[in-house]
Amino acid sequence: DAGVIQSPRHEVTEMGQEVTLRCKPISGHNSLFWYRQTMMRGLELLIYFNNNVPIDDSGMPEDRFSAKMPNASFSTLKIQPSEPRDSAVYFCASSFSAGAGQETQYFGPGTRLLVL
Amino acid sequence: DQQVKQNSPSLSVQEGRISILNCDYTNSMFDYFLWYKKYPAEGPTFLISISSIKDKNEDGRFTVFLNKSAKHLSLHIVPSQPGDSAVYFCAASRGYQGGSEKLVFGKGTKLTVNP
Repeated sequence: DAGVIQSPRHEVTEMGQEVTLRCKPISGHNSLFWYRQTMMRGLELLIYFNNNVPIDDSGMPEDRFSAKMPNASFSTLKIQPSEPRDSAVYFCASSFSAGAGQETQYFGPGTRLLVL
Repeated sequence: DQQVKQNSPSLSVQEGRISILNCDYTNSMFDYFLWYKKYPAEGPTFLISISSIKDKNEDGRFTVFLNKSAKHLSLHIVPSQPGDSAVYFCAASRGYQGGSEKLVFGKGTKLTVNP
């Protein structure tokens, strides 16, 4: 039974380059979350989708960040242009939301991004 | 403005003894709380949760206690095992908000269980 799948696991890029992170949620889940983990800020929510629709993107740091969910089994987080301060571990998580609350989010292994 | 606080960055205990990890929150609207465990180079994995209508939830060696009046919860691990060594995150939710639930995480406590 596959969990949340993220790719790539590691990404090293140069400042100014475009970075695309990918996520495949657990089959049957209808909510998807993108998080960023840094030493300073801990684990912070960037954006989340419900039924492929972005619900809350208030955590997206700036316009350089964008996220899409074209279908129920795939989402991308894009950073363009990337900057050294974007270096972090990015996690994708998914859950099944029945509208009753008390859901459990399941996390992928993360993408470790280093921007030089 | 940290709504969920884990004031101890690290905790070290002896194998077989009890581990107690603490978490405080400031938002009285939170009504669901979760603990996640994270090993290096892996994503957080769900451990145990508690609803605000309860004050205790138990699952094997893991028990979570909730004190709503103090806005405090704790995770007890008894007996502690070396495999429990990980970073533990406390998370809180305000419940269903038009689509799903947003979790607010603490910064984590690194637990080391010594053999």
